[in-house]
Amino acid sequence: GQQVMQIPQYQHVQEGEDFTTYCNSSTTLSNIQWYKQRPGGHPVFLIQLVKSGEVKKQKRLTFQFGEAKKNSSLHITATQTTDVGTYFCAEPPWSNTGKLIFGQGTTLQVKP
Amino acid sequence: EPEVTQTPSHQVTQMGQEVILRCVPISNHLYFYWYRQILGQKVEFLVSFYNNEISEKSEIFDDQFSVERPDGSNFTLKIRSTKLEDSAMYFCASRLEAVEAFFGQGTRLTVV
Repeated sequence: GQQVMQIPQYQHVQEGEDFTTYCNSSTTLSNIQWYKQRPGGHPVFLIQLVKSGEVKKQKRLTFQFGEAKKNSSLHITATQTTDVGTYFCAEPPWSNTGKLIFGQGTTLQVKP
Repeated sequence: EPEVTQTPSHQVTQMGQEVILRCVPISNHLYFYWYRQILGQKVEFLVSFYNNEISEKSEIFDDQFSVERPDGSNFTLKIRSTKLEDSAMYFCASRLEAVEAFFGQGTRLTVV
């Protein structure tokens, strides 16, 4: 079935270090979305990438969509303790009912 | 800011019992979803609902599950005869035409 593979599963960093999570798909994606889930919380939409090679920034977060639209990454510069949580990429399949297929998520721990 | 609300926040039920999880989506949204997340795992799509009918469902959404939108505001997920493996966090989500899916805070279902 459809799935996006996300790595790493866990990442522990020292506050101030950078962090990157990667999503890969075996098929071409129509677009890709990123969500953040704080511990004990619910997924919160961060961004959607649509165009091949697209790069978007939100403050310290940089999102990239691969040229072939089969992979994506989220990079956080100079992590802070508020960045703690699980970051999910999510694929809306071409069926367009709007459902999301989530990656396994990368859980980020930040040591102060 | 509008939000998706879910009740109850936590439900404990005995195996074999029926449960109804309730959601109030954002009022002008058109697309409604249920997802579940087993502890420590990824968010999984269950069902999408549009124009008063199911538009898509996953393999998880078998005959034990049903959804209803009994009035203009509520959106419910019913599990007829709960099993231990139904224990999970259940998230309701809604969206308008735009990209972003808004998730509720979730109902933690514990089947004992």
